[in-house]
Amino acid sequence: AQKVTQAQTEISVVEKEDVTLDCVYETRDTTYYLFWYKQPPSGELVFLIRRNSFDEQNEISGRYSWNFQKSTSSFNFTITASQVVDSAVYFCALSDPNAGGTSYGKLTFGQGTILTVHP
Amino acid sequence: EAGVTQFPSHSVIEKGQTVTLRCDPISGHDNLYWYRRVMGKEIKFLLHFVKESKQDESGMPNNRFLAERTGGTYSTLKVQPAELEDSGVYFCASSPPGRSRGEQFFGPGTRLTVL
Repeated sequence: AQKVTQAQTEISVVEKEDVTLDCVYETRDTTYYLFWYKQPPSGELVFLIRRNSFDEQNEISGRYSWNFQKSTSSFNFTITASQVVDSAVYFCALSDPNAGGTSYGKLTFGQGTILTVHP
Repeated sequence: EAGVTQFPSHSVIEKGQTVTLRCDPISGHDNLYWYRRVMGKEIKFLLHFVKESKQDESGMPNNRFLAERTGGTYSTLKVQPAELEDSGVYFCASSPPGRSRGEQFFGPGTRLTVL
């Protein structure tokens, strides 16, 4: 069975600090995708990044960066120079690649990390 | 392009009543998913439609939950009769056909409160 663990329930930082959100996953599949979603106060889940299990290159997008390490089954997310607008709940998720053979199926989510950035 | 929409945004009902949640996926998205987040816990998968067919309903908690997707467009999730433990936020997501990308596009959720 698949499992995603986000050990940090809540993180509070002051604006301009760097912050890293941890994500550890378990799966028996050799092919899978990892995701990060952001849930702002408005409630919808906003897609941030998708990472293929065969691609361990780190990725940077503006102030956001992701560190995928297959050896430790981790997919951590770092926000550099945090801003108040980054305050949200962040979810890490893992896909089930075997649904019907034609499309990726269900996502397994972590418990979410509440990030609060204070001015 | 319109995103995934869900109706209603909030619903408060008494235990034993029936509630129907609706999800309109992004046009052209064959895959439609229902998820639920209860009491600040993780978001849990309920079921997955490919067009009008149920691909995976392994996450449906019990037979009080009935999901339909007639015609392969919008979907409804009916809870009958509702119990206290059904309270939570119900999310719908959709994705295009094929497995080229994998990410799912989520709606804003329906917050269900059962009193």
